[in-house]
Amino acid sequence: KNEVEQSPQNLTAQEGEFITINCSYSVGISALHWLQQHPGGGIVSLFMLSSGKKKHGRLIATINIQEKHSSLHITASHPRDSAVYICAVRPITGTASKLTFGTGTRLQVTL
Amino acid sequence: GAGVSQSPRYKVAKRGQDVALRCDPISGHVSLFWYQQALGQGPEFLTYFQNEAQLDKSGLPSDRFFAERPEGSVSTLKIQRTQQEDSAVYLCASSLAGLPYEQYFGPGTRLTVT
Repeated sequence: KNEVEQSPQNLTAQEGEFITINCSYSVGISALHWLQQHPGGGIVSLFMLSSGKKKHGRLIATINIQEKHSSLHITASHPRDSAVYICAVRPITGTASKLTFGTGTRLQVTL
Repeated sequence: GAGVSQSPRYKVAKRGQDVALRCDPISGHVSLFWYQQALGQGPEFLTYFQNEAQLDKSGLPSDRFFAERPEGSVSTLKIQRTQQEDSAVYLCASSLAGLPYEQYFGPGTRLTVT
C-alpha cells in the first residue's frame, strides 16, 4: 500500500462544476503539498499546509491531521484547470525535507 | 524572478551511454532535491542537498546514479551506462531551507533511453 493515496485517479468535469480531489496518507507528517503538473512535466506548487484550510482564487485546500486526509477543491472549474494534481507529504521521520508523492489525479475539464 | 531551470529539457540516449542532467536552483535556495518520475506515476525522491552537502541519497536506484553540487548552487545528476528503465522525467526542486519552506520545481528533463 502506498503511503499516499489519491482519488479519483481520473476525473472529467464540465466547465463550471465544483471539483474535489482527495488525498489520504498513512504516516505522520509535518506538511502536505498540493501540486499541479501540466503536460510537458513542469510542476507548480499550489498549497503547502499543515492544518486547517487555505484558499487561493478558485482553489481551496483543507487538511484533517487526525484523519490523515486532505482535499483540494476547485470552484467554477475551467478548461485551463486541466492538469494532473499531485498530493505530496513531508513525513516526520526520515529526511526532514523529503517529500512522498501520490500518483496524481488527472483532471480534464471540458466546455 | 527566475525560477528553477533544468537542462537539457529532452535527452535521448542510447543504452549504455552516460548522461548528465543540470539543475540551476533559485538563487539563494539552500536546499536542492532531485526526483524521478516514471510515466503515469508520481515523482519519487532520489537525493537531497543542503548547500554542497549531500544529506540523503537513499533514493538513488543504483550506483550508476551520482549527484553533485560542488559549490552549493548548480547541481548535476549523472547516470552512467544508461538502461531503458532509466527513462523518466527527472525533476529538480529547490527551497530556501528544509523546513518549513515549500519547494519550487523546475520543468524537468525527459530522458528517453533507446
